[in-house]
Amino acid sequence: DAKTTQPPSMDCAEGRAANLPCNHSTISGNEYVYWYRQIHSQGPQYIIHGLKNNETNEMASLIITEDRKSSTLILPHATLRDTAVYYCIVSFYSGGGADGLTFGKGTHLIIQP
Amino acid sequence: DAGVIQSPRHEVTEMGQEVTLRCKPISGHDYLFWYRQTMMRGLELLIYFNNNVPIDDSGMPEDRFSAKMPNASFSTLKIQPSEPRDSAVYFCASSLKGRGIYNEQFFGPGTRLTVL
Repeated sequence: DAKTTQPPSMDCAEGRAANLPCNHSTISGNEYVYWYRQIHSQGPQYIIHGLKNNETNEMASLIITEDRKSSTLILPHATLRDTAVYYCIVSFYSGGGADGLTFGKGTHLIIQP
Repeated sequence: DAGVIQSPRHEVTEMGQEVTLRCKPISGHDYLFWYRQTMMRGLELLIYFNNNVPIDDSGMPEDRFSAKMPNASFSTLKIQPSEPRDSAVYFCASSLKGRGIYNEQFFGPGTRLTVL
């Protein structure tokens, strides 16, 4: 799996959009970008994933650059409950089933009231 | 849907004792994963199963660790003998092939293990 680079921490004001960057410059063509988050003392939670197109769901939006070497997770209206560690993970899609996830250190996002 | 269930939630034991962690995956899921989280090493994959068969155990730290999945609704992770460096939070996760989101894994609440 390709490695990812994320800032160790970020602050964001409540109600504003939180933009979390991730660099994955060695990503290969058949690797997906996944985002998970881990709220304190809980298990990680899936947020969103994408291959090359931008994606949106009820939790967040994922913007992937055209060269696929970086991406940004956007939480459109951050709340205090979004304070968590956010993990950007690049994972090979084998087509044969699931694979274990390789977690990095992630970004600790702190939402300020 | 009860989600992934893990027991116990907290375990305190003494060095040298056997420890057994338990996991019940989401009903119908065919993949089960065991992860370990420590401050030093972060979240690490230990082993995962597909249809109760171990697929990749390369993350298991040493022979003191073993995992089994006797049926689709139950898995155990055993440490024998336990050592203080095994202290960590152990997470179980499950997923379902065929959803089109192969790596959407659902995590349990974790078991916090302390070995004295």
